[in-house]
Amino acid sequence: DTGVSQDPRHKITKRGQNVTFRCDPISEHNRLYWYRQTLGQGPEFLTYFQNEAQLEKSRLLSDRFSAERPKGSFSTLEIQRTEQGDSAMYLCASSPRDRGNIQYFGAGTRLSVL
Amino acid sequence: AQTVTQSQPEMSVQEAETVTLSCTYDTSENNYYLFWYKQPPSRQMILVIRQEAYKQQNATENRFSVNFQKAAKSFSLKISDSQLGDTAMYFCAFVNSGGSNYKLTFGKGTLLTVNP
Repeated sequence: DTGVSQDPRHKITKRGQNVTFRCDPISEHNRLYWYRQTLGQGPEFLTYFQNEAQLEKSRLLSDRFSAERPKGSFSTLEIQRTEQGDSAMYLCASSPRDRGNIQYFGAGTRLSVL
Repeated sequence: AQTVTQSQPEMSVQEAETVTLSCTYDTSENNYYLFWYKQPPSRQMILVIRQEAYKQQNATENRFSVNFQKAAKSFSLKISDSQLGDTAMYFCAFVNSGGSNYKLTFGKGTLLTVNP
């Protein structure tokens, strides 16, 4: 396994711009999660996919956030009209079908909104 | 809703010594998993150890072991023979084993520094 891959690793943007992050899970992992981690805090759940279906969204995921997982492979997380409060580390994790409670994390995308 | 509390924001230990990180949680669920994850500086989160709530035996993984007290809702991590590479942020996490969404609930973390 090559591990969970996230791109980009760092993103600096101006307030009001749109940004999109990509996550490539471990091959054959059917579950995919997005979390947000702010400074000094543990990661917080944002959304969950089982294959291509988005099955749960946190209240943290405002209308400006959208996530997709076409064909049940890679996933994208888009933030529209970014705000300074969106600055955080965005983590992606995936888990296999037979051990769904064990999540493997990517290195994250650090977003800075100026 | 579940909550996870890590009351030690920072800890330090000398190389080769033993250190214990504390974690308490609150849940009304009976079936769940508990985890300790390690996040080294600027690197990805790695699973250290996992405990199933229905198992009374404490989990161990090499130098890492847990003390799981279900009635007290306590889940501490003991690191023996600490190594410099153990320096990292450690997160305690909970997941409800019911349903298909195994979303993790994390504590705020404990920054562990291993000193030479």
